[in-house]
Amino acid sequence: EPEVTQTPSHQVTQMGQEVILRCVPISNHLYFYWYRQILGQKVEFLVSFYNNEISEKSEIFDDQFSVERPDGSNFTLKIRSTKLEDSAMYFCASSEELRNEKLFFGSGTQLSVL
Amino acid sequence: GQQVMQIPQYQHVQEGEDFTTYCNSSTTLSNIQWYKQRPGGHPVFLIQLVKSGEVKKQKRLTFQFGEAKKNSSLHITATQTTDVGTYFCAMDSNYQLIWGAGTKLIIKP
Repeated sequence: EPEVTQTPSHQVTQMGQEVILRCVPISNHLYFYWYRQILGQKVEFLVSFYNNEISEKSEIFDDQFSVERPDGSNFTLKIRSTKLEDSAMYFCASSEELRNEKLFFGSGTQLSVL
Repeated sequence: GQQVMQIPQYQHVQEGEDFTTYCNSSTTLSNIQWYKQRPGGHPVFLIQLVKSGEVKKQKRLTFQFGEAKKNSSLHITATQTTDVGTYFCAMDSNYQLIWGAGTKLIIKP
């Protein structure tokens, strides 16, 4: 079964450093998303992406965050200057045809900011 | 902003007992989705409910959507150890999915 893949599985960084989280969505899916989850708590929406542009973003997704689809397969989330409170599990997800319906999630990247 | 309330936060059951989680919204929903997250895992889509009063079953799982489309429930009959995890409801609001806080199903040893 096709799956969303994320790398790395763990990322440790110093406060103020830039990090790039990588995702390969399912190939025929049209919508891509980033979510984060702090310590198994609520799943928080960050951003959705469609047709090579951001379609929606949350208040969390401020100027420190950016997303990119640099080629036909990768989808990246960049945090320019990490803060302690950015420590969380970051999930990439994709959906096939309709926005916000039947999301397939990757296994996540656990980001630890020290 | 729009929120969905999900209760309870935790439910401890003996294996073989039933489990239920509830989601409530103050506004009418277009649809509601349910996801399961195993410990240390990622959310996995279970089902989407769209119609008023809809009831769907997946083996021992029964999903209901209220008549007013403001609430939903997930009921598991005769829980098994494989059911352990956190169950989330999620609703589409302002072009983003809003997630409930989740109900953690814990099987008592």
